[in-house]
Amino acid sequence: GAVVSQHPSWVICKSGTSVKIECRSLDFQATTMFWYRQFPKQSLMLMATSNEGSKATYEQGVEKDKFLINHASLTLSTLTVTSAHPEDSSFYICSARNSGSTDTQYFGPGTRLTVL
Amino acid sequence: GENVEQHPSTLSVQEGDSAVIKCTYSDSASNYFPWYKQELGKRPQLIIDIRSNVGEKKDQRIAVTLNKTAKHFSLHITETQPEDSAVYFCAAINDYKLSFGAGTTVTVRA
Repeated sequence: GAVVSQHPSWVICKSGTSVKIECRSLDFQATTMFWYRQFPKQSLMLMATSNEGSKATYEQGVEKDKFLINHASLTLSTLTVTSAHPEDSSFYICSARNSGSTDTQYFGPGTRLTVL
Repeated sequence: GENVEQHPSTLSVQEGDSAVIKCTYSDSASNYFPWYKQELGKRPQLIIDIRSNVGEKKDQRIAVTLNKTAKHFSLHITETQPEDSAVYFCAAINDYKLSFGAGTTVTVRA
């Protein structure tokens, strides 16, 4: 149980285009989902917290107009990178917190974004 | 916010030896401390965790200790094997948010 999927697993796009990444909890309801970004050989940095039915909470330094987050249901959150630029190339990972659990987060497999 | 520091950044051990990774955290309100193992290009995998009301926890070759007073927690891997080679991250949870350490690249030499 507690499986989180992400789609796509990798994407290559041209500079200036937008890319949408989906995060789904497959066998549990996730009131809260989190989006992380991980640059090569670095740690995971929390970008934003996504709560079902409400606006996302962004961490300091993360542009909310550039990284649009939608959490429309208890099993789906999406991250849209708008007007992507090469510096946005990174590994984006989501995690989901089981509504019945206080702490445990289950991670998706990640999405490798490359902006040309 | 929470600040988690992790040492060392790299660790090379001979197969069969032990590996120890240490972390400190800044916010005394943090109450849950998971450890993750991440292989290249893959998701972090939870390997062990400890809550603030527990001082030590063990799962086969892996153990974690927590000193809440000193705000230190450590990961111990005994009898290391080549498959233990990976990047390990400590983390602390405060208000449902995970703050990660910088990571330790562990290499187990055969």
